[in-house]
Amino acid sequence: EAQVTQNPRYLITVTGKKLTVTCSQNMNHEYMSWYRQDPGLGLRQIYYSMNVEVTDKGDVPEGYKVSRKEKRNFPLILESPSPNQTSLYFCASRTGAVDIQYFGAGTRLSVL
Amino acid sequence: KQEVTQIPAALSVPEGENLVLNCSFTDSAIYNLQWFRQDPGKGLTSLLLIQSSQREQTSGRLNASLDKSSGRSTLYIAASQPGDSATYLCAVYSGAGSYQLTFGKGTKLSVIP
Repeated sequence: EAQVTQNPRYLITVTGKKLTVTCSQNMNHEYMSWYRQDPGLGLRQIYYSMNVEVTDKGDVPEGYKVSRKEKRNFPLILESPSPNQTSLYFCASRTGAVDIQYFGAGTRLSVL
Repeated sequence: KQEVTQIPAALSVPEGENLVLNCSFTDSAIYNLQWFRQDPGKGLTSLLLIQSSQREQTSGRLNASLDKSSGRSTLYIAASQPGDSATYLCAVYSGAGSYQLTFGKGTKLSVIP
């Protein structure tokens, strides 16, 4: 079954404590991306990756890092989380420019 | 910078009605447009993808149209059902290589039995 898997699904942390949200896809997709969803602001793209070792910033990259060492994995790293990064995060993947994008189930992050 | 607007923000209809959701975008140089459905507390489910060269796509009771020149797309839902209640999101692929995806804020649909 085609899947994009995010872990953890829920996370509560404190300001400044580094964390990583993992994302893995089993469809051999080249393109992966991260989004955050906030009330009133909708979904906004954080980072995207066109292939292994190729990443670029989306609309709201500040405070986030990503890496793409393997095709299937695209972790999102918050080096020093702050309360304004409390949000619902989604990872997504697709094959190419004309392919449907598949989303993970989401990670709800609270930074206290 | 691409901006996507969805109107109305919320819509309530009785079961069985046909309805139209609207999406507009500011930069017509898009690659594709995709409609998603999001249920409360859940992820996004793809409904329809329209390539820039296409005018419309159909899947079951859903029909999506695209008019690039006017910067508009519509999602038509026929014979609505309570199970259609969800938030519907429009997203536009633009930028070099179509890697940038810009979402509208969605239309929250309630279908009343």
